[in-house]
Amino acid sequence: QKEVEQNSGPLSVPEGAIASLNCTYSDRGSQSFFWYRQYSGKSPELIMFIYSNGDKEDGRFTAQLNKASQYVSLLIRDSQPSDSATYLCAVKGRLSFGAGTTVTVRA
Amino acid sequence: NAGVTQTPKFQVLKTGQSMTLQCAQDMNHNSMYWYRQDPGMGLRLIYYSASEGTTDKGEVPNGYNVSRLNKREFSLRLESAAPSQTSVYFCASSSPTPGANVLTFGAGSRLTVL
Repeated sequence: QKEVEQNSGPLSVPEGAIASLNCTYSDRGSQSFFWYRQYSGKSPELIMFIYSNGDKEDGRFTAQLNKASQYVSLLIRDSQPSDSATYLCAVKGRLSFGAGTTVTVRA
Repeated sequence: NAGVTQTPKFQVLKTGQSMTLQCAQDMNHNSMYWYRQDPGMGLRLIYYSASEGTTDKGEVPNGYNVSRLNKREFSLRLESAAPSQTSVYFCASSSPTPGANVLTFGAGSRLTVL
């Protein structure tokens, strides 16, 4: 089992809709969880991190963590064409990354 | 505002050739990392260095060596390149913030091994 698994994409959403990205992890002792965004041909950049159960909001982005279910998600509200990118889930420890989910926002 | 600088950006090698990827950061970060990214595979950790003078293997270390030359610089060497090492390589650094180690990535180095 991979350390970090993300829901397979690609994910296509209309402009203004909510994009929902999911990630599960295998190490129950993991403490910190990250979402990175990567535009095509560019390097990953941090969107947000979360380490407490519940929701964390930053602008149009909300990260949700459920340690009991070993599940972390990212919601993108009011999706914009500029949100079209690959989103990578990462877990601390050995900083394992998921394979990424590619999101396309249709204008 | 350089952040993390990687060189070269592109490189083509023949099987069996050697090369070194260079990485330098100017943020006074303690930890540095080398990842490779292949289509559909996400980022896989090759080696990391928690501090100057220490290095540790990651998920896919075979065929690579690293050197943490000083606090700023962390190089990745391919002694005898193989086609399976064709990939995009990212260097990153991090310094702890409350609750997390946030990575800052370089622009990447695209390596092709023929």
